[in-house]
Amino acid sequence: AQSVTQLGSHVSVSEGALVLLRCNYSSSVPPYLFWYVQYPNQGLQLLLKYTTGATLVKGINGFEAEFKKSETSFHLTKPSAHMSDAAEYFCAVSHYGNNRLAFGKGNQVVVIP
Amino acid sequence: EAGVAQSPRYKIIEKRQSVAFWCNPISGHATLYWYQQILGQGPKLLIQFQNNGVVDDSQLPKDRFSAERLKGVDSTLKIQPAKLEDSAVYLCASSLETTSTDTQYFGPGTRLTVL
Repeated sequence: AQSVTQLGSHVSVSEGALVLLRCNYSSSVPPYLFWYVQYPNQGLQLLLKYTTGATLVKGINGFEAEFKKSETSFHLTKPSAHMSDAAEYFCAVSHYGNNRLAFGKGNQVVVIP
Repeated sequence: EAGVAQSPRYKIIEKRQSVAFWCNPISGHATLYWYQQILGQGPKLLIQFQNNGVVDDSQLPKDRFSAERLKGVDSTLKIQPAKLEDSAVYLCASSLETTSTDTQYFGPGTRLTVL
């Protein structure tokens, strides 16, 4: 079975500061990894995904994530937070042959002016 | 391109009542998913359709939940009878195919409150 751990349900970051959201996964087979963002009253939107190839993945809105197999991690970063980044962020995992997404509990990001 | 549509957006019912949710996926998307998102948790897959056939319903509480996707387009999720613990947001998603790397596109969800 595969699972995702996201620590810290609420994350506060100052405007202009680094955004770092941690994601660790558990999977017995090579994983496919995803980050989704959910704005209030909206559906989830894909930020970026890792399937194969380059381990540093760039997504929309200036976000990027790096797949580290040795650390079973896929942390999400953005160099400079913007007020519009306030939202809930979910890490998810699937694997070849099974596109069921297993989601973490999410991180609610608050951006402080 | 129109996104995934869901209705209603909000629903409040008494326990033991029945409720139904509707989803219209993105045009041409073969795969449709229903997720349950309880407050403070990530979405959990309830059922996955490929066209009008069920691919995975292993986490669907079949004693009270049912879903169908007639004609391989729209889908309906029903709860009968509802329990307090069914209070959640029900998300519908669709993807072009069922490959593991396909992006799933989510609708805005239906927020269900069971009193």
